[in-house]
This record gives sequence, structure tokens and C-alpha cells, in this order.
Amino acid sequence: DMKVTQMPRYLIKRMGENVLLECGQDMSHETMYWYRQDPGLGLQLIYISYDVDSNSEGDIPKGYRVSRKKREHFSLILDSAKTNQTSVYFCASSTGQSRYFGPGTRLTVL
Amino acid sequence: QQQVRQSSQSLTVWEGETAILNCSYENSAFDYFPWYQQFPGEGPALLIAIRSVSDKKEDGRFTIFFNKREKNLSLHIKDSQPGDSATYFCAASNMGYKLTFGTGTSLLVDP
Repeated sequence: DMKVTQMPRYLIKRMGENVLLECGQDMSHETMYWYRQDPGLGLQLIYISYDVDSNSEGDIPKGYRVSRKKREHFSLILDSAKTNQTSVYFCASSTGQSRYFGPGTRLTVL
Repeated sequence: QQQVRQSSQSLTVWEGETAILNCSYENSAFDYFPWYQQFPGEGPALLIAIRSVSDKKEDGRFTIFFNKREKNLSLHIKDSQPGDSATYFCAASNMGYKLTFGTGTSLLVDP
């Protein structure tokens, strides 16, 4: 059963705290993504990972960094979170043109 | 500059009607156009997709009509059901890994 998982599903942090969002996939897909979704803005690409330790910035990378040490696992890190990073974050993996999205993490930064 | 535009933020239809969701794009190099369906609390899921060499793609009650010259496409949902109520995202790419998403249309099917 092809699946992308995300942990945690909900997270509340204070401004300035560090945040770690985790994503896993069981499909051995090489390419993985992090997006954020805000009302009226659709899905915005933060980072792409083409494989282990092969990451590229997306459209809005500022304030974020990523880590991919195993093919099945991709992390999004916010060092010193800001209130404007409150959003829903989606991880995805892909084979060819098809994206498989996780269920999302709702992050609130107070 | 919004490269993929969805003209309606929301749309309401009665059960049994055909819902039509519109999308347009700027980049003539785009050649792959998927539609994603998203229910509240879930991630988007691929619904149906078309390549620019075709002008129509059908999958059950869902059909994409594509007009390359006008750079627009539409998703038709025939015999709409309340379970089709969701947000629909049009997206586009040019054979690369980067997919550009529209801002979504929230569809409500009234029973």
C-alpha cells in the first residue's frame, strides 16, 4: 500500500523555537518535496530532494532547511520559527509526474 | 505572476448537475496538466491528468477538456455527488519535476 506519512499532524510552537517536521514514504521514490499551503495561495514549493543528500531550493526556501539521510525519510527544519510560518505543510514523493501527498502537518507559531 | 490560474475560488452545484472548473496558464512550454482533489484534513490526491498532445481525457465521471491555442483547460464532473465536494487544484509542468499549482476551486455539491 503506497503511503506518505507525516509526523506530527498538529504542532504549536512559540516564535523563536526550532521546529522539525518529519516525512516518510514506503515506495522507494527518489524524489520528495515539501510544500506549504495557505488559504488563497494554493501549494507553494519549499524544497525538492532528488535523493539522499541531493536537495534543491523551491520557490520559497527562505527560513527553511531540509535533511535527507535515507531515501524513505525527508525532514523539514525551521530554525527559530516565525509567526508567518504558521501554515499547513505537506510532504510528497513522486514517480514520474505523479505526486503522492502526505496528510499534512498543521503548524501554528505563536 | 500567477502561472496557473483558476478563475473561481468556489463553485456550488446541485446534485446530478455537471460541475465545470476552469483553469488557464501562462507558460506555453507546459505540457502536462494534472488535477488534484483535496478533502478537508487530507493531502491532495491525483484525480486525472492530460498531456498537451490530447484535447480530451475521460475517466468515469471526470473529463478534462484542453485547448492548447487558448492556453486553458477545464475539468467537468458529470452527475455531481455530495461526495465530490472538495477543493480541486489545477497544476502544470513541462516534463520536469516542478509542478506549478493553481490556487484551487472549492466545490460544494448540494444534495
